[in-house]
Amino acid sequence: EAQVTQNPRYLITVTGKKLTVTCSQNMNHEYMSWYRQDPGLGLRQIYYSMNVEVTDKGDVPEGYKVSRKEKRNFPLILESPSPNQTSLYFCASSPLTDTQYFGPGTRLTVL
Amino acid sequence: DAKTTQPPSMDCAEGRAANLPCNHSTISGNEYVYWYRQIHSQGPQYIIHGLKNNETNEMASLIITEDRKSSTLILPHATLRDTAVYYCIVSSLSNSGYALNFGKGTSLLVTP
Repeated sequence: EAQVTQNPRYLITVTGKKLTVTCSQNMNHEYMSWYRQDPGLGLRQIYYSMNVEVTDKGDVPEGYKVSRKEKRNFPLILESPSPNQTSLYFCASSPLTDTQYFGPGTRLTVL
Repeated sequence: DAKTTQPPSMDCAEGRAANLPCNHSTISGNEYVYWYRQIHSQGPQYIIHGLKNNETNEMASLIITEDRKSSTLILPHATLRDTAVYYCIVSSLSNSGYALNFGKGTSLLVTP
C-alpha cells in the first residue's frame, strides 16, 4: 500500500531533550516536506527536500533540522526542543509537479 | 498570507450537493488550484486540482471560472464522512519549492 508513515505518532518530552521524528514513504517520490499545524495558524511548512541531499527552509525552520540521505526517509530533528514547538506535525511527499500525500501526523508536547 | 479566500464555515444536508467557493483573484498563469481536506487532525487528503478547465474525479468536481479568479468545489452527494475542513490552495512548482499555503479553509458540517 502506497503510504507516508511517521513515528512516533504521539510524543511527550521535556525542554532540551533532543528528539527525532521519522518520516518514510514507499512511493519513490522526489519531494518531501514537513509541516506543523497550530490552532489559528493553519499548516506551515518547516523544511522541504526536492531530492536526496537537497533540502531547504520553509516558512518556519527555526529550531528544526532535517536530512535526506535516502530518497524514502526525511527525518525531522529537534536538537533542543522548547515548549513553543508543541504542535501537530505532518510529513508529506510527492513526485515533482504532482499532488502531495500526507502522513498521519505526530502530536508533540514539549514540557 | 494565503492567496485564497474561503468562507469560514458551511452546512450541508446529507445527500445534497455541497458547493464550496474559493476566491483567488491574484492567481498567476502557471498556478494550479488545489483542493485538500482534513478530517479532525488527520493528515490532509488531496481531493482534486485544475489549471483552467473544469475537472471531475471520483470524489468531487472542480469548476474554475473563465478568468480563473474563483472556483467551486462540488461534492455531489455529501455524506456525514465528508464533514471536514476544506482547503483551497493555489500553487506552482518553482525553484523555491512546492509549498502548499493552506490558509484557514472552510469547515464543512454535513448534517443528517
